[in-house]
Amino acid sequence: QVTLRESGPAFVKPTQTLTLTCTFSGFSLSTSGVCVSWIRQSPGKAPEWLALIDWDDDKYYRTSLKTRLTISRDTSKNQVVLTMTNMDPVDTGTYYCARNHRYSSGRFYFDYWGQGALVTVSS
Amino acid sequence: DIQMTQSPSTLSASVGDRVTITCRAWQSLGGWLAWYQQKPGKAPQLLIYDASTLESGVPSRFSGSGSGTEFTLTISSLQPDDFATYYCQHYNNSSWTFGQGTNVEVK
Repeated sequence: QVTLRESGPAFVKPTQTLTLTCTFSGFSLSTSGVCVSWIRQSPGKAPEWLALIDWDDDKYYRTSLKTRLTISRDTSKNQVVLTMTNMDPVDTGTYYCARNHRYSSGRFYFDYWGQGALVTVSS
Repeated sequence: DIQMTQSPSTLSASVGDRVTITCRAWQSLGGWLAWYQQKPGKAPQLLIYDASTLESGVPSRFSGSGSGTEFTLTISSLQPDDFATYYCQHYNNSSWTFGQGTNVEVK
């Protein structure tokens, strides 16, 4: 059974760094074709993909946020960590981690999601 | 990033209605298009991938079609559990993009 769970602070102050941890089970991030992404959703808005780490430890970032994001993994702990620097109130939202799975077509889709972690940025 | 536009933004429907949601892009998406359902307070759930393939466990009343720049999600007979927000999603050039969403509400 695949599960993902996000953890981290519920509140951060402007200019602080946010660190979120995704702890997963039921799959290995060392398996070819498996990736984990971070996706956020501001209230009332569409989801916004932020970053991805794959089975080869390759990393990809949303272009507009690339300078603020770092994604990393600890395969022994089945964890993926996202850090976002210089937080601003516009970064308030629910942060999800999700598994990207490579389907038979060779394309990747988000097939399992965590329940999300609400992060509020306020002084 | 390839921008995608969903229509309508809000759709009012009744149980038993046939519902169609459209996702359009300004350039070809090939067949790399997915549809997700999201209920309030919950994470999105994958319904359709590769434009027309039903994800395992998703009811057969959901179907997807289209290619190139225009795609549709159809619910053949709307059920009470289907009132939710639906998003299309595409991958291009190491980036994943979601449409702005369609809220299917009770008429």
